[in-house]
Amino acid sequence: GDSVTQMEGPVTLSEEACLTINCTYTATGYPSLFWYVQYPGEGLQLLLKATKADDKGSNKGFEATYRKETTSFHLEKGSVQVSDSAVYFCALSGMDSSYKLIFGSGTRLLVRP
Amino acid sequence: NAGVTQTPKFRILKIGQSMTLQCAQDMNHNYMYWYRQDPGMGLKLIYYSVGAGITDKGEVPNGYNVSRSTTEDFPLRLELAAPSQTSVYFCASRTSQPNTEAFFGQGTRLTVV
Repeated sequence: GDSVTQMEGPVTLSEEACLTINCTYTATGYPSLFWYVQYPGEGLQLLLKATKADDKGSNKGFEATYRKETTSFHLEKGSVQVSDSAVYFCALSGMDSSYKLIFGSGTRLLVRP
Repeated sequence: NAGVTQTPKFRILKIGQSMTLQCAQDMNHNYMYWYRQDPGMGLKLIYYSVGAGITDKGEVPNGYNVSRSTTEDFPLRLELAAPSQTSVYFCASRTSQPNTEAFFGQGTRLTVV
């Protein structure tokens, strides 16, 4: 079945460092890909998405490119801030009509001043 | 703009007790979902619904029941609570249009002792 694998955390960075969180997926057909972010004590909120191969999603300085050939959707940011500290989830929505999301295990990011 | 509202936010249950987690959305979304989030794990789908009167099992439905009598509400029922059901529960909703995002509630933290 469909699945998502993302790098384990926690990832600890200093402010203004570069961030990459790896995400790869297994799915039939052409899933939609998402990054969700969970701030402490809150629910998940959409960070960015891409719905077809070579699409780049971007938001708040974060970017991710849908790479069909490597089945990847890595999250990147050139300069992280303390306020980016959160848990990041990679997810896919497959081809079935339920549109259910399949999540990776999440990566906790801690940014230190 | 309320979005997806979950109640209660926290609850402690004794083994064998039952309870209902409430979820309501005011966005007129047809699709609704219940997920559970265990520490260090991604979210696992419990049940979902594609419209009023229609529900289906997800990946981990055992020990839970749902109903969908209206578009707005999607309660999750726990019968005979067990320690394995200690988790954070998230409700989500989305439209029936493909490639759109799911909106999440803030979660219910449940502890079974």
